Amino acid sequence: QTVVTQEPSFSVSPGGTVTLTCGLSSGSVSTSYYPSWYQQTPGQAPRTLIYSTNIRSSGVPDRFSGSILGNKAALTITGAQADDESDYYCVLYMGSGTWVFGGGTKLTVL
Amino acid sequence: QVQLVESGGGVVQPGGSLRLSCAASGFTFSSYAMHWVRQAPGKGLEWVGLTRSDASNKYYADSVKGRFTISRDSSKNTLSLQMNSLRAEDTAVYYCAKGGDLGSYYFDYWGQGTLVTVSS
Repeated sequence: QTVVTQEPSFSVSPGGTVTLTCGLSSGSVSTSYYPSWYQQTPGQAPRTLIYSTNIRSSGVPDRFSGSILGNKAALTITGAQADDESDYYCVLYMGSGTWVFGGGTKLTVL
Repeated sequence: QVQLVESGGGVVQPGGSLRLSCAASGFTFSSYAMHWVRQAPGKGLEWVGLTRSDASNKYYADSVKGRFTISRDSSKNTLSLQMNSLRAEDTAVYYCAKGGDLGSYYFDYWGQGTLVTVSS
């Protein structure tokens, strides 16, 4: 059973830069997994941020960026703002028509 | 603009059945894959399943395979999720999500979700 791993929590100072990662319990994440990232605040539906590793969804500010760093997918937030405080989820396409979400990262801005 | 509106959630006993619907508008429904994603209370997101644009293929997470069935009606722009043999661990908010353009492998729009509670 493949597990997609994310940091449970992270904190960043306002104006700072933070990189959240998305890995695999076994193996490396590559662009072939088409990693995508979603932001969710309590009680709200997820919002799409990044897809296909590094393509920003419509309306997403350019301080959000995606990449592959080493053997993981990464979401970098540059110039963090108070309203970036959210849960962030990555999801990987595992092939054969199936996807697996990571457990999510709770980002605190303080 | 794209709108996805889920309905059909509620309280059901263990072993029971429930059918969720997702009304889609603002895009050519028959051209896109559609997904169901769920979120148990206080937990993370879990992909549930997918129907391709022409409904030719459907795929499910192992946790629901054999119990849940996804269908779509392009004449009514509606996605459905038939849930049978429900268990307590199926308690969650269920979101429908639109697939991105062919070959993009992501979810680009989400509904607001509908809550399913499995409890005696």
